[in-house]
Amino acid sequence: EVQLVETGGDLTQPGGSLRLSCAASGFNVSDIYMSWVRQAPGKGLEWVSVIYAGASGGAYYADSVKGRFTISRDNSKNTLFLQMNSLRAEDTAVYFCARALSDSGSSWGQGTPVTVSS
Amino acid sequence: DVVMTQSPDSLAVSLGERATINCKSSRSVLSNSNNKNYLAWFQQKSGQSPRLLIYWASTREFGVPDRFSGSGSGTDFTLTITSLQAEDVAVYYCQQYRYVPYTFGQGTKLEIK
Repeated sequence: EVQLVETGGDLTQPGGSLRLSCAASGFNVSDIYMSWVRQAPGKGLEWVSVIYAGASGGAYYADSVKGRFTISRDNSKNTLFLQMNSLRAEDTAVYFCARALSDSGSSWGQGTPVTVSS
Repeated sequence: DVVMTQSPDSLAVSLGERATINCKSSRSVLSNSNNKNYLAWFQQKSGQSPRLLIYWASTREFGVPDRFSGSGSGTDFTLTITSLQAEDVAVYYCQQYRYVPYTFGQGTKLEIK
């Protein structure tokens, strides 16, 4: 059974950093594209980032996070990460990781909340 | 960026009736190389993670009831729910995955009349 469990969300100050993790089971994170999507309180879904499969899997970002966030994966731990630097109030959201976001076999985690506030 | 615009923002439909949600993209999401529309539909129930319903504009994800169907091509797409059930109350999102950044529509809230 495919399962995704996000952790790492927390309350942090503007300018701070957080590293989100998404532990996967039931499949290999190296074999399929993985994404991060966020949802601000009471708002809609916002695509954040994607990393494609394979050793040379490319990564892409939303303009709102480009240069501040970095997506990566550790195949030995079967875990997806999102390193978030220079955090802003507008980054406050629940962050979801997803397997094969828009394709057969899509699966989402339960989300981890990030709050950026002084 | 490709802007995805859904209509209406909210919709109330009687049980057993048809619900129709529209999605328009600011740029065609049809690929000439494989003749596929890179358009997905998601359902998000209150307090839950989103769930993929439809991909390639009209392919139903495994396990999704056949009362859900997707149609359209190019820039105009529709999600149709025939014979609305109580468990279909949710917010529905379209998303294009043809061009990075992959963008979502603003969502359509579906309620029971």
